[in-house]
Amino acid sequence: QKEVEQNSGPLSVPEGAIASLNCTYSDRGSQSFFWYRQYSGKSPELIMFIYSNGDKEDGRFTAQLNKASQYVSLLIRDSQPSDSATYLCAVEDTGRRALTFGSGTRLQVQP
Amino acid sequence: ETGVTQTPRHLVMGMTNKKSLKCEQHLGHNAMYWYKQSAKKPLELMFVYSLEERVENNSVPSRFSPECPNSSHLFLHLHTLQPEDSALYLCASSQESEGAIYGYTFGSGTRLTVV
Repeated sequence: QKEVEQNSGPLSVPEGAIASLNCTYSDRGSQSFFWYRQYSGKSPELIMFIYSNGDKEDGRFTAQLNKASQYVSLLIRDSQPSDSATYLCAVEDTGRRALTFGSGTRLQVQP
Repeated sequence: ETGVTQTPRHLVMGMTNKKSLKCEQHLGHNAMYWYKQSAKKPLELMFVYSLEERVENNSVPSRFSPECPNSSHLFLHLHTLQPEDSALYLCASSQESEGAIYGYTFGSGTRLTVV
């Protein structure tokens, strides 16, 4: 069973700080990695994807991938109260032709 | 209509009922999925259809039956459900190319309660 592990949190950060969310995965063959944001009572929405080792930046979000360590992270700069949500890490499972999700990290940004 | 549309948004059914969930995508994607989301658990993959071909998932009980009549529509037929099947059922679509998946777009989900 291929697994994706995340700390469930809650991760609490003050407004304006950097939030760091981490994820590890078990499938060494995975090539595609995704971060989704899910507000309470809503469905997940895609916020970042990364395919290559290193960093990828999009506005206040930076995704980091280290395939050797099987580790992917998401940094949120200048955190806002509206960033308070659960962040889901998803990893491609080529065997099942689908994504495997972690259980999510709940982020709370304190005003 | 844009994106991925799921109906109904909420469903309450008895254990002896038969009902169906519907999903429609307007994105031109070639793959569709059903996931189950229960409290405190990761999203569980139930079924995958890629290019209208079902990718087997033998871990799902037979009381759940998928149907994919074309690349834009996906159904989940439900019968003789158990209370533990109460959850949020999410449909998603994506573009799959040469085995690579380019991220999902999710529908709003169907909140199912089995009584």
